[in-house]
Amino acid sequence: DAKTTQPNSMESNEEEPVHLPCNHSTISGTDYIHWYRQLPSQGPEYVIHGLTSNVNNRMASLAIAEDRKSSTLILHRATLRDAAVYYCILRPISSGSARQLTFGSGTQLTVLP
Amino acid sequence: EPEVTQTPSHQVTQMGQEVILRCVPISNHLYFYWYRQILGQKVEFLVSFYNNEISEKSEIFDDQFSVERPDGSNFTLKIRSTKLEDSAMYFCASLGLRHNEQFFGPGTRLTVL
Repeated sequence: DAKTTQPNSMESNEEEPVHLPCNHSTISGTDYIHWYRQLPSQGPEYVIHGLTSNVNNRMASLAIAEDRKSSTLILHRATLRDAAVYYCILRPISSGSARQLTFGSGTQLTVLP
Repeated sequence: EPEVTQTPSHQVTQMGQEVILRCVPISNHLYFYWYRQILGQKVEFLVSFYNNEISEKSEIFDDQFSVERPDGSNFTLKIRSTKLEDSAMYFCASLGLRHNEQFFGPGTRLTVL
């Protein structure tokens, strides 16, 4: 699987936007970019995914670079509940969409009140 | 909203004992997974299950482990003879019908003494 690189940790102030970066310079043309998060003492939770175009949903936005070598998860207004580890994961569709997820170390987001 | 449930939330066992971790995936999902997370480490894939058989398994999933779907709702992970290093959070997941999103349960914390 293509590798992703994320900062170990980031901090944000409550009610401010947060931009969580992910580098994936070896991404292939059929890799989808998925984001999951893991709140303290909970299981991972799907956030958003995309292929080439920017994506929005009720939780977040995903901005994908034109060359697809990086992406940014955007939380428009961080709340204390958004404090979690955020994982950027590539999923190769060519291997079957039901393939398991490969988690890295992720970014620990701390939200300051 | 439907969710994946897991029981028990915490299991304490003696080394060498057998344990069965139980999961109830979301009812119309067809792909199921077990992951584990040793304290302070990454979430690791163990096994995936589809159509009543194992689809893929990792190196961690050795002969001590087995999975079963004994009825239409439960999905179990059995560890035949637990070792100290099996102490971890075990997460069950099921795959949504659009194959975009894995839904994770809250986990079972296994402590082997």
